[in-house]
Amino acid sequence: AQSVTQLDSQVPVFEEAPVELRCNYSSSVSVYLFWYVQYPNQGLQLLLKYLSGSTLVKGINGFEAEFNKSQTSFHLRKPSVHISDTAEYFCAVRSRTSYGKLTFGQGTILTVHP
Amino acid sequence: KAGVTQTPRYLIKTRGQQVTLSCSPISGHRSVSWYQQTPGQGLQFLFEYFSETQRNKGNFPGRFSGRQFSNSRSEMNVSTLELGDSALYLCASSLDTGGVGNTGELFFGEGSRLTVL
Repeated sequence: AQSVTQLDSQVPVFEEAPVELRCNYSSSVSVYLFWYVQYPNQGLQLLLKYLSGSTLVKGINGFEAEFNKSQTSFHLRKPSVHISDTAEYFCAVRSRTSYGKLTFGQGTILTVHP
Repeated sequence: KAGVTQTPRYLIKTRGQQVTLSCSPISGHRSVSWYQQTPGQGLQFLFEYFSETQRNKGNFPGRFSGRQFSNSRSEMNVSTLELGDSALYLCASSLDTGGVGNTGELFFGEGSRLTVL
C-alpha cells in the first residue's frame, strides 16, 4: 500500500516569488510519482511525472520537481509564480502494477497575491 | 482530440435514490478509472476498468458499482444514496496497453458533481 502526505494545506505567496509545495510518500514497492493541478470547478491536469531516470523533472507552466529516494520526497517548485497559478495542487503515487489507481495527498491550496 | 467527457456535470438527488454517471474516454484509451472527491476525504479511488473488466477496486461499499462497454465508455452507479455520497466524481482514462509496468498517464474529465439532499 502507498500513502502520500502533503505537508502544507495552504501556501500563500506573492506574485513573482518562488514557491515550493512539499510532498512525502510511503511505499513498500517502487512507484511512479505525479503532481496534478486542479482549478475551481475543473478536473485534474497533470503538471509533471517521475517514472525513472533523472531525478529532476520539468513540467508544464514552468514547474519542476525533484525526486529524492532517500527522503521519499517529491517536492514541487516554481521559481516565479503568477496570479494564474492560484489553484489546488495534488501529489500522487502509483505502484508499477496498480492499474489506474493513484493514491493522492490531501492537496495544497496555492494562493498567489498581487 | 476530444478529452474525457463526463455527463451529467451537475445533479441533485434525494436520499435513497440511485444515480448513474457516464464517462466517455479519450479515443483509443482502453482504461477508465473513477475517483470520488470530497472536502473531508479528498480524492479516493473507486475502481478501474480495462477492456470491459474490472481490474482494480478501492474500498467502497457495494452500493458503488461500475461497468465498461465495448467502446470503452464507462458508467458508474450509486444505489441507495446517502448524504455522504455528495461529492465530485471524476473519471480518468489512460492509454494502457495492458502490460505490467505500464506508465500510462491518467487524463481526467471535469467531473460530475452530485448533491444528495
